Amino acid sequence: GENVEQHPSTLSVQEGDSAVIKCTYSDSASNYFPWYKQELGKRPQLIIDIRSNVGEKKDQRIAVTLNKTAKHFSLHITETQPEDSAVYFCAASWRNNNNDMRFGAGTRLTVKP
Amino acid sequence: SAVISQKPSRDICQRGTSLTIQCQVDSQVTMMFWYRQQPGQSLTLIATANQGSEATYESGFVIDKFPISRPNLTFSTLTVSNMSPEDSSIYLCSVPGGGYTFGSGTRLTVV
Repeated sequence: GENVEQHPSTLSVQEGDSAVIKCTYSDSASNYFPWYKQELGKRPQLIIDIRSNVGEKKDQRIAVTLNKTAKHFSLHITETQPEDSAVYFCAASWRNNNNDMRFGAGTRLTVKP
Repeated sequence: SAVISQKPSRDICQRGTSLTIQCQVDSQVTMMFWYRQQPGQSLTLIATANQGSEATYESGFVIDKFPISRPNLTFSTLTVSNMSPEDSSIYLCSVPGGGYTFGSGTRLTVV
């Protein structure tokens, strides 16, 4: 089955700096890669996703890149703000997007004002 | 995306008892997923619930411990049976779509 690895486990940045979180996956059949933000005590919320036929996707300050050959994808947050502080999870769906997802271990991002 | 109502939001239970968690979706979905999130950890898939068939369990999870019902395309329950303190966790249901949506979670504490 799919195995998703995520790095780093913790990340601390100064407000206004950029943050990058990286994930690798094992199953080349995976074709859907979402990113979730989870604030303390709340459910994971989808913030951006990318499919395997696209190399990059951007939504305001957030972007995701995908390298299918290397089987890795990354989340980029620019101009970070204190409210970006949360745990971020990457995930991969290893059959199609109507099947289960496997999650990375999570990255705790702290944005210092 | 779908809206999921999950309850209870939290419970404190005695060891050896069972708790049933419910998820109601505002639209019909073929599959529903149940995840467990232990404190400070990632989400681990427990099982996939299809309407009209038995749930499919992941390695390390068994039906006797986590029975699942899926009576129709908008509803599912997960029961945590014969609980022990190790079952203390957050349990979440999820449905697929353009982006997977999660219920609000059930925070279970077993004492």
